Amino acid sequence: AQSVTQLGSHVSVSEGALVLLRCNYSSSVPPYLFWYVQYPNQGLQLLLKYTSAATLVKGINGFEAEFKKSETSFHLTKPSAHMSDAAEYFCAVSDRVAGGTSYGKLTFGQGTILTVHP
Amino acid sequence: EAGVAQSPRYKIIEKRQSVAFWCNPISGHATLYWYQQILGQGPKLLIQFQNNGVVDDSQLPKDRFSAERLKGVDSTLKIQPAKLEDSAVYLCASSLDPSVNYGYTFGSGTRLTVV
Repeated sequence: AQSVTQLGSHVSVSEGALVLLRCNYSSSVPPYLFWYVQYPNQGLQLLLKYTSAATLVKGINGFEAEFKKSETSFHLTKPSAHMSDAAEYFCAVSDRVAGGTSYGKLTFGQGTILTVHP
Repeated sequence: EAGVAQSPRYKIIEKRQSVAFWCNPISGHATLYWYQQILGQGPKLLIQFQNNGVVDDSQLPKDRFSAERLKGVDSTLKIQPAKLEDSAVYLCASSLDPSVNYGYTFGSGTRLTVV
């Protein structure tokens, strides 16, 4: 069974500081990995995804994440936080088994709320 | 390209009442998902459709929840009777292909409060 653990339900940074949101996954097969962002009262927006190409994945709004198989991690980073980055971030995993009942199903972590201070 | 449309945005009902949510996916998207997001938790898949057939409903509480996707386009999710623990945001998503390479597009969700 797949699972995702996001370390830290709340992260607070100053504007301009490094953003680091942690995600570790568990999967019996090579996974697809995703980061989504959710602003208040809105749906989920895809930030970036890892699908077995480059291990360093660049996404929208200056975010990037690195897939580390040895550490089963997919941490999200941004060099310089902006006030508009304040939101909740979700890491998600999906398996690659075509035709299975879980094909395309996303398993989400608990979420990390990012607060950005001026 | 229009996004995934959901209605209503908000709904407040009393326990034991029934409620229905509607979703219109992006045109041409064969796969449609309903997720439940309880406050403080990540979304959890309730049901997945491929065209108008059910692919996965293993986490759908079938004693009270039902869903259908008519003609492989719009979908409705119904709860009858509702319980307090059903208070959550119900998110609909669609994808062009079950391959997750394409990713999902989520709607804005319906926030249900059961009192």
